[in-house]
Amino acid sequence: QVQLMESGGGVVQPGGSLRLSCATSGFTFDFYGMHWVRQAPGKGLEWVAFIHYNTNNKYYADSVKGRFTISRDNSKSTLFLQMDSLRADDTAVYYCAKDQSGYGYYLDSWGQGTLVTVSS
Amino acid sequence: DTQMTQSPSTLSASVGDRVTITCRANQSINNLLAWYQVKPGKAPNLLIYDASSLKRGVPSRFSGSGAGTEFTLTISSLQPDDFATYYCLQYNTYSQYNTYSPWTFGQGTTVAIK
Repeated sequence: QVQLMESGGGVVQPGGSLRLSCATSGFTFDFYGMHWVRQAPGKGLEWVAFIHYNTNNKYYADSVKGRFTISRDNSKSTLFLQMDSLRADDTAVYYCAKDQSGYGYYLDSWGQGTLVTVSS
Repeated sequence: DTQMTQSPSTLSASVGDRVTITCRANQSINNLLAWYQVKPGKAPNLLIYDASSLKRGVPSRFSGSGAGTEFTLTISSLQPDDFATYYCLQYNTYSQYNTYSPWTFGQGTTVAIK
């Protein structure tokens, strides 16, 4: 059974940094691409970032490009999101999600999310 | 980038009703569209992929249709567990592999009890 568990959320001041983790199990992690998706309070889902199965390619939404970095440790079956220069509009529940393929297709399994609040 | 327009934003329905939600893309995405059900505090749940393929284990009252730019999610007979928010997602990124096009969601449709 595929399991995804996010951690690392919390309250951070504007301009600060936070690193999210997503521990996975139940599938061969290094075969699949992985995503981060977020949902701001009262808003819809927003795709944030994607990383290929082999880390060679990474893609970002324009809203986070240059501030967020997606990475993965295939030896630990763990996905990361380094978030720098955080702004109030980055406040959201952040979900990690497994892609159906290694190169980018649809998101087929999700975690329950971790809340990031950017506030002074 | 491909923009997705989802409608309606909310709908009120009763148990047993037939419900239809629509997503329109501003350019062709072939059949590269998925539908998700989201409930507060829970992991989003994939229902439909490739526009009309039902994920294993999802009840058959859910169905998807469409291709190109217009897509529909239908719940044939609404059940109490179906009151939730539904999102479409387009994943047509391969056609612009070197000039990348991001994944984009529709704005969501909340199905509420009438």
